[in-house]
Amino acid sequence: QQPVQSPQAVILREGEDAVINCSSSKALYSVHWYRQKHGEAPIFLMILLKGGEQKGHDKISASFNEKKQQSSLYLTASQLSYSGTYFCGTGVSGSARQLTFGSGTQLTVLP
Amino acid sequence: GAGVSQSPSNKVTEKGKDVELRCDPISGHTALYWYRQRLGQGLEFLIYFQGNSAPDKSGLPSDRFSAERTGESVSTLTIQRTQQEDSAVYLCASSPGAGPLNTQYFGPGTRLTVL
Repeated sequence: QQPVQSPQAVILREGEDAVINCSSSKALYSVHWYRQKHGEAPIFLMILLKGGEQKGHDKISASFNEKKQQSSLYLTASQLSYSGTYFCGTGVSGSARQLTFGSGTQLTVLP
Repeated sequence: GAGVSQSPSNKVTEKGKDVELRCDPISGHTALYWYRQRLGQGLEFLIYFQGNSAPDKSGLPSDRFSAERTGESVSTLTIQRTQQEDSAVYLCASSPGAGPLNTQYFGPGTRLTVL
C-alpha cells in the first residue's frame, strides 16, 4: 500500500522551516526521500534504515520512527532551491522488489 | 559516468497506435524499474527487472503494457493500442542491486501524449 504523505502542499518564505511526514500501514525497513523539480527527474536525498539514526545533509534532515512506521523530513532555513515535490519511498523488510512511493508533497519557497 | 537516459523525451501519438519507450540504465546497475507519473501525481510502479530473474510485472495496468530488458542493459517499455489515459510521464530508474537499501537513479522520463 502507498505511504501517506502530509501535508500535500506547503508554501514558505525563504528562511522558514518545514516538516514533511510519511506514514505507512506496513512495517518498514527503509525510507527513501527524493525531490523532484518541475519537469525533471526525482533526485535522491537520503535513505533511513530500520534501527538507523537521524540523517541529514546541509539543512535537510530526516528521522525514522519504526514503531509509528513513519518518517519525517525536516527542512531548516529553507532556500529557494528547496522548491519542488518531495516523495518518500518505503521499503518493506524481506522484499527484493521496489520502493512504494507516496503521492508527494509540493513545497514552494518564496523570496 | 553517465546517468540513466531515456528516449524519446517526448512522444505524441494517436489513440490506438503502439509506442515503444527506451531506457539505458547506468552501467553495472543490475536492477531497473519503470514508473508512470500522471500529471500532479506520484510515482506508480509498473515493472521491475533484477539481473536474470523473472521480472516483477505486478504493476502493469493491463496486457497492453509489456517490457523487455536485454541482460543488464537497455530496456524497452511497449504500450499497444494506446489510450488517452496512457498519457503520462514514464520514468525509468536503475539501482546497483535489488532490495530496499538501494538508491534508485532516475532518468529524465518520456512524456507521452495520446491524442
